Amino acid sequence: GESVGLHLPTLSVQEGDNSIINCAYSNSASDYFIWYKQESGKGPQFIIDIRSNMDKRQGQRVTVLLNKTVKHLSLQIAATQPGDSAVYFCAEAQFGNEKLTFGTGTRLTIIP
Amino acid sequence: KAGVTQTPRYLIKTRGQQVTLSCSPISGHRSVSWYQQTPGQGLQFLFEYFSETQRNKGNFPGRFSGRQFSNSRSEMNVSTLELGDSALYLCASSSQGKVQYFGPGTRLTVT
Repeated sequence: GESVGLHLPTLSVQEGDNSIINCAYSNSASDYFIWYKQESGKGPQFIIDIRSNMDKRQGQRVTVLLNKTVKHLSLQIAATQPGDSAVYFCAEAQFGNEKLTFGTGTRLTIIP
Repeated sequence: KAGVTQTPRYLIKTRGQQVTLSCSPISGHRSVSWYQQTPGQGLQFLFEYFSETQRNKGNFPGRFSGRQFSNSRSEMNVSTLELGDSALYLCASSSQGKVQYFGPGTRLTVT
């Protein structure tokens, strides 16, 4: 991906298994959270979002969990596929404010 | 609908020069945000425009500026380029208060 940070966490998962990517956020005032996927040579692609009045939200093969007590966000991807290999970013914002603050990203590699 | 488009996709400039990058948002989106992505700093917010007005600004020097036109298209300008300005510059558009959709980015290399 475009973000190859010096300390980019990595996660390798066998194809077909489930994966969980974690993210800690810092701003207690944030009330809107988004997960993006970035493949090599591309811009971030929206996956799923959640507002702070929810603890869980499900999409197609993806689930986002929000724990406001410990300021933690996770993305679960079910039945991973080779196309899921990418860098995943969480982002936080205050709803209605377009400024997104991104996490460092996690590189997910799906092993065939 | 067509996605966010950015031009040019790749650019090589020399230190001290200036550069202008362009972004066309998704049709109907009036908010355009710009981000810088580098290996060392990750994704960082530059600024956001809505209805031709800058609403938010990140922590970047004044060499970084932008504008938005009446058709919501946006440009960002970097003057007096430095080596550290080498990055992927991403534009995102949204319908106010909703998901931001990103373009493919402009890869700027400063030599």
